[in-house]
Amino acid sequence: KQEVTQIPAALSVPEGENLVLNCSFTDSAIYNLQWFRQDPGKGLTSLLLIQSSQREQTSGRLNASLDKSSGRSTLYIAASQPGDSATYLCAVYNSGGSNYKLTFGKGTLLTVNP
Amino acid sequence: GAVVSQHPSRVICKSGTSVKIECRSLDFQATTMFWYRQFPKKSLMLMATSNEGSKATYEQGVEKDKFLINHASLTLSTLTVTSAHPEDSSFYICSAQKGDLNTEAFFGQGTRLTVV
Repeated sequence: KQEVTQIPAALSVPEGENLVLNCSFTDSAIYNLQWFRQDPGKGLTSLLLIQSSQREQTSGRLNASLDKSSGRSTLYIAASQPGDSATYLCAVYNSGGSNYKLTFGKGTLLTVNP
Repeated sequence: GAVVSQHPSRVICKSGTSVKIECRSLDFQATTMFWYRQFPKKSLMLMATSNEGSKATYEQGVEKDKFLINHASLTLSTLTVTSAHPEDSSFYICSAQKGDLNTEAFFGQGTRLTVV
């Protein structure tokens, strides 16, 4: 059974700092890994999708890496801003018995202080 | 990206009544949609996979008679919480994918259900 762990559970940083969020998963037989952002009481916004054959993806100030063999991914946020404050969720996509599904971590709650 | 719309965003209902939540893919067709439940400070829990034109596939421990799923068209899936009880109060989120099952997943805005 796939398990996804995100560290740290919460992170508070001053504006402008670069930061790294960590995600690990137990079953390396994944198809892809996706990072999401969730604002309080809202749905999920897709940030980056990394296919299993890829090592990293970049979008603006965000960079996500994937080391499939070791079961790890990191999300790097450069020059953080107060608007980046949200919960960041990592999810991996693989076969779960008879159907394919995303397995989520519990998320990292990020607070960027002005 | 793609747009997935979920309605309503909030609903309060009395214990014993049923509530229907809609999930629409606005700018693409989705043969498969997914329904999740999110508890405070917990991971999203997959409840079921909704397949257009066929029965939904429920995850272990999810009561299919309690949580009815209908995926009658390529752009609409509905989740009906039947005979709701306070313990059903939660945040429900749907998602859909544009192409193959291992492509990017897009999520709705979520529905906050409160059963009183």
